[in-house]
Amino acid sequence: QSVLTQPPSVSGAPGQRVTISCTGSSSNIGSGYDVHWYQHLPGTAPKLLIYGIINRPSGVPDRFSGSKSGTSVSLAITGLQAEDEADYYCQSYDISLSGYVFGTGTKVTVL
Amino acid sequence: QVQMVQSGAEVKKTGSSVKVSCKASGGTFSSYPFSWVRQAPGQGLEWMGRVIPTVGIGKSAQKFQGRVTISADKSTTTAYMELSSLRSDDTAVYYCAREGTGRGSWGYNWFDSWGQGTLVTVSS
Repeated sequence: QSVLTQPPSVSGAPGQRVTISCTGSSSNIGSGYDVHWYQHLPGTAPKLLIYGIINRPSGVPDRFSGSKSGTSVSLAITGLQAEDEADYYCQSYDISLSGYVFGTGTKVTVL
Repeated sequence: QVQMVQSGAEVKKTGSSVKVSCKASGGTFSSYPFSWVRQAPGQGLEWMGRVIPTVGIGKSAQKFQGRVTISADKSTTTAYMELSSLRSDDTAVYYCAREGTGRGSWGYNWFDSWGQGTLVTVSS
């Protein structure tokens, strides 16, 4: 089972702002390990959206942003668009498991 | 820009093994670690293990220890994932992913390029 918890789903109307939380523990996010975010459309490979909590790879719109507070990090999508409808996963490293871990995943629906 | 092309879909019997390949091109193969991630039907992403091409033999996630072998061949710029003692719940799409390196420790790495995925179906 995932050690990073995300809400199963979030939704918003076009143009609105939605946020996705990723909550970990002292063995991962709380130990200072970075968190990264991916967008996953069915039938395609996951796409890196945010790395190192706040950094966007080239080509990723600035509508996507990351932040951190304690052992929780968040991904925000502003100006929601129909093409943003996808599954989103956070990812970090866990000391206890000695490996990478993914969040439970969040389905974003554009109303 | 690195591109990773994985081998084709596989149908396997319970108890058998499967080996999936991931050929990288367009980048410096040996400079980056590669990981394997899978997604079972209706489930989330799950990390399986990683390999550093200069080392050749990889490290597996605790859940898969003893069942998965992850390796890399620098001469052909190809990474491999072999999973043995297949069960029905190993049915999944398997992805290779190149790791982007952060602060020096691999605990800070992310996955910046992905293969297209390989569907492995396990049935009796």
